[in-house]
Amino acid sequence: GAVVSQHPSWVICKSGTSVKIECRSLDFQATTMFWYRQFPKQSLMLMATSNEGSKATYEQGVEKDKFLINHASLTLSTLTVTSAHPEDSSFYICSASAGRGYGYTFGSGTRLTVV
Amino acid sequence: SQQGEEDPQALSIQEGENATMNCSYKTSINNLQWYRQNSGRGLVHLILIRSNEREKHSGRLRVTLDTSKKSSSLLITASRAADTASYFCATVKYNNNDMRFGAGTRLTVKP
Repeated sequence: GAVVSQHPSWVICKSGTSVKIECRSLDFQATTMFWYRQFPKQSLMLMATSNEGSKATYEQGVEKDKFLINHASLTLSTLTVTSAHPEDSSFYICSASAGRGYGYTFGSGTRLTVV
Repeated sequence: SQQGEEDPQALSIQEGENATMNCSYKTSINNLQWYRQNSGRGLVHLILIRSNEREKHSGRLRVTLDTSKKSSSLLITASRAADTASYFCATVKYNNNDMRFGAGTRLTVKP
């Protein structure tokens, strides 16, 4: 079956630093990748959608200069949290799809803690 | 949530009982999916139901979809302690590929 690898699974960083999270589709070409954020005991909130080779489309209220998304290849998307602050501490999950009509495969998530 | 409401927000039952969770959404959809999430972990895909389907079964799971009411339900029969998790519905619209999640139901099954 389709597999998406997300790395790292957890990271602790100091306030003001940047953190990069990778999402790789291992056995299929992901034309579209999605990034979600989940605060404790809450649902997953879609942050942005990225299509390979295009700029990401951000949801309302998500700062694109703070959450940099790069989808440079059909198997890799990265989310960089720039100048992280404690309020950015959350669980970030990516999802990949080969396109409309295809299923969605989720990564295992990254728990980010900013201290 | 970005997609709609789920109820109940939390459900606690005894092992062997059935659990029913409901999901309402806002827009026309292509399909609706149910996922399970154990505490602090990734998502497990449970079942997908398309907009032209009304009911679907998978093992102990039964999902219904009422597009006129924009609602879906997930029934877990003969629950087990291992079913303890959060359950989310997620919708995919016709005109784009985005998947958006409901608020979720936290299910606790007591042994």
